[in-house]
Amino acid sequence: DIQMTQSPSVLSASVGDRVTLNCKASQNINKYLNWYQQKLGEAPKLLIYNTNNLQTGIPSRFSGSGSGTDYTLTISSLQPEDVATYFCFQHNSWPLTFGSGTKLEIK
Amino acid sequence: EVQLQESGPGLVKPSQSLSLTCSVTGYSITSNYWGWIRKFPGNKMEWMGYISYSGSTSYNPSLKSRISITRDTSKNQFFLQLNSVTTEDTATYYCARTNYGSYDSWGQGVMVTVSS
Repeated sequence: DIQMTQSPSVLSASVGDRVTLNCKASQNINKYLNWYQQKLGEAPKLLIYNTNNLQTGIPSRFSGSGSGTDYTLTISSLQPEDVATYFCFQHNSWPLTFGSGTKLEIK
Repeated sequence: EVQLQESGPGLVKPSQSLSLTCSVTGYSITSNYWGWIRKFPGNKMEWMGYISYSGSTSYNPSLKSRISITRDTSKNQFFLQLNSVTTEDTATYYCARTNYGSYDSWGQGVMVTVSS
C-alpha cells in the first residue's frame, strides 16, 4: 500500500497568513493526489483534484502543486472559515489511501 | 445536485454483521462509481471499496474477506455489509460518488459503534 504522510499534524496561523500543508507519498503517485477539507461534524469536501485542479465552487485562495511523491496545498490568505482538518488522498494505486490529516487552527 | 445519505444501526455487537445503506438522489447510480470510506476515532481514514455503474466491485485487500458492496438500482441505493466486526470497526462510515477517480460528493456519515 502507498503510505501518505502529512505534515505538520497541527498548524496554527493567523488570519491573512499564507499557509502551506504538505503531503508525501511513499512512492510516485503520478499527480493523482486530491485534497479534502473536513470541518467538525461535516462530510469531507473536495478542494483540489489531481494535484492542482480547483474543484467547482472552491475559493481561489486554495491551490495545489507537486509531482512524484511530494505535494502541497497552499492557502494564500487564511480565513476564519478555513479552520478544519485537511486530508490528502491518492488514487493512483490500489488500495486508495489517505494521509493522516493536518489540523489547521487560527492563532 | 447529487445527494447521498447513509443509514443503518449505530450499534453492532462484536462478531455480527454491519449493514449500511446509501440512498442517492439527484443522480443515477448506474453512472460513475460509488464507494464506502470510513474514519476511525483519531482521524485515520480508510477507503473500503466501490461498486461501479455496471455493478462490478473492488475492495480494499485489508477487508476483502469480510466486505460486500451491492446495489438496488430500482431504489437508487447501494449497500455495505461488513462481516465479523470487532471493536476496531468502530468508525464513522461515509458513502461517496467518484468522478474520474475523485470522491467529489459525500454523505454526512453515520457513526457505528461495535460493542457488546
